[in-house]
Amino acid sequence: DAGVTQSPTHLIKTRGQQVTLRCSPKSGHDTVSWYQQALGQGPQFIFQYYEEEERQRGNFPDRFSGHQFPNYSSELNVNALLLGDSALYLCASSRSLTSGGYEQYFGPGTRLTVT
Amino acid sequence: GQSLEQPSEVTAVEGAIVQINCTYQTSGFYGLSWYQQHDGGAPTFLSYNALDGLEETGRFSSFLSRSDSYGYLLLQELQMKDSASYFCAVREAGGFKTIFGAGTRLFVKA
Repeated sequence: DAGVTQSPTHLIKTRGQQVTLRCSPKSGHDTVSWYQQALGQGPQFIFQYYEEEERQRGNFPDRFSGHQFPNYSSELNVNALLLGDSALYLCASSRSLTSGGYEQYFGPGTRLTVT
Repeated sequence: GQSLEQPSEVTAVEGAIVQINCTYQTSGFYGLSWYQQHDGGAPTFLSYNALDGLEETGRFSSFLSRSDSYGYLLLQELQMKDSASYFCAVREAGGFKTIFGAGTRLFVKA
């Protein structure tokens, strides 16, 4: 059973550019959440997708947007990249009907470096 | 706002028992979760407390006291492979946002 997969593993971009990160959830999971994790910090909630809709958003600017596809996979897009966007971006999947989806399965992350 | 406080570092010896505390300030949440993250790896779910009390999963146990706004993760029979960062997390009541603490880095020494 494949777990959560993310691509690419690493990415280097220049300030002002745009980036798209991809995530495939664990089999049987229908909910995808995206997190930003700075070095030495806990993951920060960006947003969550369910039934192809963003159903909650964290304290991130509109430069961060996303999408969920009918097969439950998801994309995170970041526009007008800033140096401060350099971080590990984690995707987590869960099943919405399982005790409120508290158990999240994380992918290996995408390490984004903005220069 | 919501916040979770954890010690930044804890050091213990192999075979010992260690407790990682998590205190929180939140208006409401569904339960307290714990995750483990090794350097360069993804967070891995360890345990969840929906109700007050102790939950045991092998060498790991987790405790929650809502009246004290406090929880902890207990690791027994420590092994070198337990050296990692440990995060407590809550999902806000009435929503879907999960808030993580800053993490506790556990060093296990021989």
